[in-house]
Amino acid sequence: GDSVTQMEGPVTLSEEAFLTINCTYTATGYPSLFWYVQYPGEGLQLLLKATKADDKGSNKGFEATYRKETTSFHLEKGSVQVSDSAVYFCALSARGYQKVTFGTGTKLQVIP
Amino acid sequence: DAGVIQSPRHEVTEMGQEVTLRCKPISGHDYLFWYRQTMMRGLELLIYFNNNVPIDDSGMPEDRFSAKMPNASFSTLKIQPSEPRDSAVYFCASSFHGGESYEQYFGPGTRLTVT
Repeated sequence: GDSVTQMEGPVTLSEEAFLTINCTYTATGYPSLFWYVQYPGEGLQLLLKATKADDKGSNKGFEATYRKETTSFHLEKGSVQVSDSAVYFCALSARGYQKVTFGTGTKLQVIP
Repeated sequence: DAGVIQSPRHEVTEMGQEVTLRCKPISGHDYLFWYRQTMMRGLELLIYFNNNVPIDDSGMPEDRFSAKMPNASFSTLKIQPSEPRDSAVYFCASSFHGGESYEQYFGPGTRLTVT
C-alpha cells in the first residue's frame, strides 16, 4: 500500500539556519504530494503541494520538489524563523483517490 | 469562507459517558474525514464520507465509535461509552472532488479528555 516516510524529529535549529526535512514515499502511479504544517493547538494546514514529477511547490519561503526518480519530496527553507516552530507532515494522495496518507510528522523547534 | 468548524473545542468527561463531537465542513466540499491524533499513534483516519455516505470506516477502533452525516453541512462522531484511552484530539477535515489534487482542509480539532 501507499506509505510516507519522513525523518524523525525533533529538529532544533537556530534562527536563520537552513532547513531540510526529508520525505520519501511509496505509491503506485503518480500521486499528488503535500506538506502540511501543524502549529501548537491547531489543526493541520496545507503548506504546499505538487501534482506531477519535477513540479516545485512553494509557500511562505518553503519549497519542495517532486522527484519521481528518487520518490522524494524534501521540504526546504533557506532561513527559518522562530515562528516556523511547528510539526510538519509529508503526505500523498493517489491519483483518483480522496484518501491522504500522512507521514508521522517532524517537529521543528527554532531557537532565537 | 469560515473553514471547517468543530465543536466543542474541548471536552472533559467521565469514563462511561457518551460523547458527541460535531463538524461543519466547508460549503461545497463533498468529502468529509474524521481523524484522531495521539502522541503514541500519531494521526489516524477513522472514517470518511462522500456525499454524506460512509465510504470507509475501517479505521473506527471499535463498536463504541459511530459517525453520521445526515446532510452535506453536518457530521457527528459519537463515542459511547467513553474510556480513558479515547483521550485524544479529534479532527474533522473536508475536501472537494475536483482538480488535480485532493488536499484536505482541517478543522481546529476537539481535545477530548476522558477521566
